[in-house]
Amino acid sequence: GENVEQHPSTLSVQEGDSAVIKCTYSDSASNYFPWYKQELGKGPQLIIDIRSNVGEKKDQRIAVTLNKTAKHFSLHITETQPEDSAVYFCAAMQYDMRFGAGTRLTVKP
Amino acid sequence: DVKVTQSSRYLVKRTGEKVFLECVQDMDHENMFWYRQDPGLGLRLIYFSYDVKMKEKGDIPEGYSVSREKKERFSLILESASTNQTSMYLCASDRGRGYEQFFGPGTRLTVL
Repeated sequence: GENVEQHPSTLSVQEGDSAVIKCTYSDSASNYFPWYKQELGKGPQLIIDIRSNVGEKKDQRIAVTLNKTAKHFSLHITETQPEDSAVYFCAAMQYDMRFGAGTRLTVKP
Repeated sequence: DVKVTQSSRYLVKRTGEKVFLECVQDMDHENMFWYRQDPGLGLRLIYFSYDVKMKEKGDIPEGYSVSREKKERFSLILESASTNQTSMYLCASDRGRGYEQFFGPGTRLTVL
């Protein structure tokens, strides 16, 4: 079955800096790659997703890149703000969603 | 505003008790899921359902069962709670494979 690895487990940046979170997956048939943000006391919420026929997708300050050959995808957050502090999960899906272990991002003001 | 609601935010139970966690979605979604969230392990799928009265085992179904009598409601049952089932439980729903999953706020269960 699919196995998703996510790095780093914790990430601390200064406000205004960029943050990058990386994930690798094992099943080359996976074709949908969402990223979720979980704020304290809440359930995860989708922030961006990418499908296997696209290499990059951007939405304001966040972007996701996908390298199908290497089987890895990354989340990029630019101009980070304190409200970006949260736990971020990547996931990969062909039939069932498989999640990474999560990255706790802290943005220091 | 679309919503997935879970019956309790916090729950404390004793070892051996039968525990019911309820989840309701108002989006008319076909698919519903129960995950368990533990530090360093991410979200692990316990059970899912693609239709009323239908259920499928996920990656960690041992010690759990589910019930889906109505489309909007998906229940997770711990037949005899054990301390290793202390965790955060998240319910989710979606309208199909490859679509966004909507999550509830979670139930933090402590088994003493």
